[in-house]
Amino acid sequence: QVQLQQSGPGLVKPSQTLSLTCAISGDSVSSRSAAWNWIRQSPSRGLEWLGRTYYRSKWYNDYAVSVKSRVTIDPDTSKNLFSLQLNSVTPEDAAVYYCARTVTGTFIDSWGQGTLVTVSS
Amino acid sequence: DIQMTQSPSSLSASVGDRVTITCRASQSISRYLNWYQQKPGKAPKLLIYAASSLQSGVPSRFSGSGSGTDYTLTISSLQPEDFATYFCQQGTSTPLTFGGGTKVEIK
Repeated sequence: QVQLQQSGPGLVKPSQTLSLTCAISGDSVSSRSAAWNWIRQSPSRGLEWLGRTYYRSKWYNDYAVSVKSRVTIDPDTSKNLFSLQLNSVTPEDAAVYYCARTVTGTFIDSWGQGTLVTVSS
Repeated sequence: DIQMTQSPSSLSASVGDRVTITCRASQSISRYLNWYQQKPGKAPKLLIYAASSLQSGVPSRFSGSGSGTDYTLTISSLQPEDFATYFCQQGTSTPLTFGGGTKVEIK
């Protein structure tokens, strides 16, 4: 049974960097059949996929166009986790952020508990 | 990006009712269509993947069907614990995209 445990601050100041981590148990971030995603949810934007990292003999990343210039998703194999960094945040980035696992790249079978992120000075 | 349109956005139903939710993709997604249930304050939960495959542990009153661009989630006999919001999601290509949700409320 895969479990994903999120951590990180719930309050970020405008123009600063949002940083969250997702610790994996029951699977490996280096799994060759899984991908590790960040998704956010807000009333205005609904569920929005931000990007993913995955390992297939080497590391790959895919990012949503809407955040591509500001986002980084990185694996940490030593700690079996992956992280999200979103730079230059604005109030529009306020949302519940989820980490999630996709299997075969198509469906999400495990989710983190969610982190409510507020953007305010 | 593939756009996912769900309908209705909300519905009211009674325990025991048969409920149908539809999801339309902006292009063919070859049955890479998944359904999730979300309750307030919780992460979504996978119900159906690949259009009609029931996720382990999900009650058999949930079923999915469809092909091409049009898909359906059916709850055969609504139970009290089924009052929630339901989302579809396409998995044929990135960015993964979601429908806007259908809130199922008590009548």
